[in-house]
Amino acid sequence: ILNVEQSPQSLHVQEGDSTNFTCSFPSSNFYALHWYRWETAKSPEALFVMTLNGDEKKKGRISATLNTKEGYSYLYIKGSQPEDSATYLCAFKDTGRRALTFGSGTRLQVQP
Amino acid sequence: DSGVTQTPKHLITATGQRVTLRCSPRSGDLSVYWYQQSLDQGLQFLIQYYNGEERAKGNILERFSAQQFPDLHSELNLSSLELGDSALYFCASSPRDTSSYEQYFGPGTRLTVT
Repeated sequence: ILNVEQSPQSLHVQEGDSTNFTCSFPSSNFYALHWYRWETAKSPEALFVMTLNGDEKKKGRISATLNTKEGYSYLYIKGSQPEDSATYLCAFKDTGRRALTFGSGTRLQVQP
Repeated sequence: DSGVTQTPKHLITATGQRVTLRCSPRSGDLSVYWYQQSLDQGLQFLIQYYNGEERAKGNILERFSAQQFPDLHSELNLSSLELGDSALYFCASSPRDTSSYEQYFGPGTRLTVT
């Protein structure tokens, strides 16, 4: 069984705060790491796909970093807005499997 | 709008019945993935098809089966339904048969088994 863990499970921040959360995965046989944003009553939406150690990706106020040697990825949100409220999922694939394994997500609530 | 469509949006059926969920991938995408999300679980991978061929199988029950047709749409068949099969079923598509590409999720089908 592959362990993909996300922390914290949930987070409440004020509008304007910057925040970050973690995705931990096995450090061997890395292939790809995905981040998705999942708003309530909608479907998951892709944020980033990261494939190389040291990868840094950015989309507006959201950025992500990847450390495959130690098995973690950070997602950062700068200046959180209420519309950033969602569950953020990471998903990991190693070279031995053909499918992504999803973490259980970090639920972010941004108070106006 | 991801460009992936799923029908029906909601389905309510009784135990022991059989249902078919349908997914049309984004234009040009060859891979289709099926996921199940139950109340107390995260997204669980069920099965993947690429250009009509089964490519990967996850924790898919023997009562469940899927196929991808020549026009690339896919169907997930669930039979002998049990209460525990109640869940949100997503399909997702991507251009290739590799996880180097992001997946585009459809709106999901909510199945309720009574």
